[in-house]
Amino acid sequence: GNSVTQMEGPVTLSEEAFLTINCTYTATGYPSLFWYVQYPGEGLQLLLKATKADDKGSNKGFEATYRKETTSFHLEKGSVQVSDSAVYFCALKGTDSWGKLQFGAGTQVVVTP
Amino acid sequence: ETGVTQTPRHLVMGMTNKKSLKCEQHLGHNAMYWYKQSAKKPLELMFVYSLEERVENNSVPSRFSPECPNSSHLFLHLHTLQPEDSALYLCASSQVRRGRPDTQYFGPGTRLTVL
Repeated sequence: GNSVTQMEGPVTLSEEAFLTINCTYTATGYPSLFWYVQYPGEGLQLLLKATKADDKGSNKGFEATYRKETTSFHLEKGSVQVSDSAVYFCALKGTDSWGKLQFGAGTQVVVTP
Repeated sequence: ETGVTQTPRHLVMGMTNKKSLKCEQHLGHNAMYWYKQSAKKPLELMFVYSLEERVENNSVPSRFSPECPNSSHLFLHLHTLQPEDSALYLCASSQVRRGRPDTQYFGPGTRLTVL
């Protein structure tokens, strides 16, 4: 079956540091890949997505590239802000008829001033 | 209102109570979902409705009963819950095109505590 593995947190870094959150997946066929973000006390917000190999999703300074050869979709941001403190979820939407979203466990990111 | 809204945002109930969670989407989507987010566990898909018809039920106990009266509204009726059912319940919606669902958009969730 489909699965998503992402690095465990919490990840603590200083403002303006470089952020990488690793995400790898296993799936049959050609899934779509997503990053969602959950700020404290809120639901999930779509951050970015990629629907085919070599696609790069980007939003709010975050980027992730769909790498089929390494089955990865790592999230990166060049200079984080305190407001980026949140839990980040990598997710996969399979090619089954209802496109069930398979989520990773989430990575908490804490950015300090 | 825009996006996906959920009410109430917080709910505390006893094990013998009956309550309902409400979700409303203002995106014109035709599919809606219930997810459960428990501490230290990945999000779990509970139910999927497409065009008001339930199309997926992931072995959820019968004490959770979903209802989708139209494509904009989704309810989760709760009765005789257990303390381990305490979690954040998230609603999502998406557009289904040619039988395939597009990106899912989530509501803020209802934080449920069962005493």
